[in-house]
Amino acid sequence: DVKVTQSSRYLVKRTGEKVFLECVQDMDHENMFWYRQDPGLGLRLIYFSYDVKMKEKGDIPEGYSVSREKKERFSLILESASTNQTSMYLCASSLLAGDTDTQYFGPGTRLTVL
Amino acid sequence: AQSVTQLGSHVSVSEGALVLLRCNYSSSVPPYLFWYVQYPNQGLQLLLKYTSAATLVKGINGFEAEFKKSETSFHLTKPSAHMSDAAEYFCAVSDGTGGFKTIFGAGTRLFVKA
Repeated sequence: DVKVTQSSRYLVKRTGEKVFLECVQDMDHENMFWYRQDPGLGLRLIYFSYDVKMKEKGDIPEGYSVSREKKERFSLILESASTNQTSMYLCASSLLAGDTDTQYFGPGTRLTVL
Repeated sequence: AQSVTQLGSHVSVSEGALVLLRCNYSSSVPPYLFWYVQYPNQGLQLLLKYTSAATLVKGINGFEAEFKKSETSFHLTKPSAHMSDAAEYFCAVSDGTGGFKTIFGAGTRLFVKA
């Protein structure tokens, strides 16, 4: 069974802290994604990566950075957390081609910034 | 540019009644279309997808959706709702380039009354 795991289900941080969200997939997928989910706004793409050390900005990259040192791992970094970054963060992965763009999601990390 | 509109942020049905969740899309190329389901405190899970084969697509848990190009619609239906169907449902469109340009709708929360 395909698996995408995220390091934490719930996280509480203080304003100004550096926050790391980790995502690991075991499907040998080339593509990995970080989304932010907010009520009424659906999923918004923060960053994606199509290969190790490669990254591209999504629709809302401000205040975030990412790291992909290994194929299976994609990290989202909040350099200085702010209250408006309180949200649900979802990681996903997909094949580069041949699977009709189907994405496989992790369980999500609900981040609260106080 | 692609876009997805889900009609109704909340839908309530009685157990045993028909479920109909509406999705309209716009895309400049033949799209891939998806329905994902999110159960409480979980990530998204693929329910079904349209990839230009059959226009009527069957998914898991008795759901199906029909691609209607003339109406640019991809509505999700289930003949008889079950309490376990209560969840949030997301329609999504992708252009076949690997998922980087997948656009998600805002989501429809389905409530099932006993």
